[in-house]
Amino acid sequence: NAGVTQTPKFRILKIGQSMTLQCTQDMNHNYMYWYRQDPGMGLKLIYYSVGAGITDKGEVPNGYNVSRSTTEDFPLRLELAAPSQTSVYFCASSYLPQGMGNSPLHFGNGTRLTVT
Amino acid sequence: EDKVVQSPLSLVVHEGDTVTLNCSYEVTNFRSLLWYKQEKKAPTFLFMLTSSGIEKKSGRLSSILDKKELFSILNITATQTGDSAVYLCAVDVRNTPLVFGKGTRLSVIA
Repeated sequence: NAGVTQTPKFRILKIGQSMTLQCTQDMNHNYMYWYRQDPGMGLKLIYYSVGAGITDKGEVPNGYNVSRSTTEDFPLRLELAAPSQTSVYFCASSYLPQGMGNSPLHFGNGTRLTVT
Repeated sequence: EDKVVQSPLSLVVHEGDTVTLNCSYEVTNFRSLLWYKQEKKAPTFLFMLTSSGIEKKSGRLSSILDKKELFSILNITATQTGDSAVYLCAVDVRNTPLVFGKGTRLSVIA
């Protein structure tokens, strides 16, 4: 069972370039999330989705876009990369809304992005 | 503004020691508190706490919630080098995303 799979694992971008971070899950979870984790900081929510076709902004959405065309996939798009977007990005999914019931978040292994 | 504060931010102990990690919170509409362990990659779920005073236990790890004083502790007894990780506390608040603390980095040395 693969769980949550993120690609790529590492990426270096130049300022102004664009890229898409891929995330797919095979657990049939409706809820999916993108977080960023800066050194010494907790996880900050960028965007989330409660089901195919529905997305919403989290705490730090500026500079990012998402789409959710299928239950399995939730890609994160950076259009004009900036140094402030250097971070580790985690995709996560859950069966119920995050933290509810007995449904913790399942995290991918992360994408380490450096923008120079 | 909802916030979650973890202490200490980092901790170094010797194998066999017992450690206590703290998580305090100030949120509206509290629903649950969660602990995650993050080693090199993805955070992995440890505990979810919703009721005061009921200890959750898994092997050498245990956790308890105090909803009156708004904090939780995570205890690890007889620590091992494999316990070295960042421990994240998060609070689930009704109608808002999870609020994460900054984490406690635990280093266990042989």
